[in-house]
Amino acid sequence: DAGVIQSPRHEVTEMGQEVTLRCKPISGHDYLFWYRQTMMRGLELLIYFNNNVPIDDSGMPEDRFSAKMPNASFSTLKIQPSEPRDSAVYFCASSGQTYEQYFGPGTRLTVT
Amino acid sequence: AQSVAQPEDQVNVAEGNPLTVKCTYSVSGNPYLFWYVQYPNRGLQFLLKYITGDNLVKGSYGFEAEFNKSQTSFHLKKPSALVSDSALYFCAVMATGRRALTFGSGTRLQVQP
Repeated sequence: DAGVIQSPRHEVTEMGQEVTLRCKPISGHDYLFWYRQTMMRGLELLIYFNNNVPIDDSGMPEDRFSAKMPNASFSTLKIQPSEPRDSAVYFCASSGQTYEQYFGPGTRLTVT
Repeated sequence: AQSVAQPEDQVNVAEGNPLTVKCTYSVSGNPYLFWYVQYPNRGLQFLLKYITGDNLVKGSYGFEAEFNKSQTSFHLKKPSALVSDSALYFCAVMATGRRALTFGSGTRLQVQP
């Protein structure tokens, strides 16, 4: 299995631009998670889906952030408009029925 | 709300010596506990988990962890450290009925040759 796939691996954008991060979970997994990692706040959950349905989005910072999962093999996290404080590493993870989550390599986002 | 504490920012140990990375947790109900490792510029890799059963859990790369309910702890251990074990280690808890993980702040393990 290829594992969780994320793209792009690095993104540099200017403040005010729209950013879209993409994730392909492990085939057969029915849970998908988006996390953000920063030095100040550590690892924090943004949102998670079960069977493509959002279950908990309480970690989404504000209306500038949105996430979708149109099918079982694809999810996006969109930031519009982006701000410098959004600079972080964004991880996607997926899990099946055995509880442990498998993480992708992350997208390092820099907003200037 | 659940929380995880990793009281040590860094742990230093000589190669060949045993290592312990500490973790305590707070959660309502029965805890599901996890350890992950992160190498530079990489995602998190799953090491081991405690869901139920034996309090001593064995995982990948020779790591093990001991669940102690009375002390609400889940310390990570390895009998003999390797230089290649040097990395950032995260403890995480999952509350019953919720599949998201709450992570600790991480502990950097440095194994000296």
